[in-house]
Amino acid sequence: GENVEQHPSTLSVQEGDSAVIKCTYSDSASNYFPWYKQELGKRPQLIIDIRSNVGEKKDQRIAVTLNKTAKHFSLHITETQPEDSAVYFCAATSGGSYIPTFGRGTSLIVHP
Amino acid sequence: NAGVMQNPRHLVRRRGQEARLRCSPVKGHSHVYWYRQLPEEGLKFMVYLQKENIIDESGMPKERFSAEFPKEGPSILRIQQVVRGDSAAYFCASSGDRVGTEAFFGQGTRLTVV
Repeated sequence: GENVEQHPSTLSVQEGDSAVIKCTYSDSASNYFPWYKQELGKRPQLIIDIRSNVGEKKDQRIAVTLNKTAKHFSLHITETQPEDSAVYFCAATSGGSYIPTFGRGTSLIVHP
Repeated sequence: NAGVMQNPRHLVRRRGQEARLRCSPVKGHSHVYWYRQLPEEGLKFMVYLQKENIIDESGMPKERFSAEFPKEGPSILRIQQVVRGDSAAYFCASSGDRVGTEAFFGQGTRLTVV
């Protein structure tokens, strides 16, 4: 089955800095890569996703890049704000499977 | 257009009792997933169900845990004879019929075993 590794487990930045979270996956058949944000005590919510036919996708301050050859994908947050503080999860869904496999999460702390 | 609804939000059980967690998927979604989350840890896959079928239960303990998604009504995750180690947040998610689409999460059920 799919295995997703996520780094770092904790990321502390100053407001206005950029934050980068990296994930690798094992199944070369994976073709859908969503990122979820989970605030304390709340449900995970999708913030951005990318498919294997695209190398990069951007939505305002958030961008995701995908390197299929190396089997890794990254989340980039620019101009971080305190409200970006949360746990971020990457996930990969293998082709033909519906099951998202999640990384262990990154706790992002943005200091004002 | 209600999202994924889970109930109860909080559940307290004594050791040895049964816990029943309910999940109503997004209307029209036929794929349901259950995940377990321990404090400050990730989302651990437990089971994937479609209507009336268990498709993948590779993440679910072989004993005491069971899941169903009947033709009518919510999906149920059932934990028999609960132990303290079962205390966790249990999240349900659902997705539509196209492979590789967003999974929507419920608010979770926080189970505490005392």
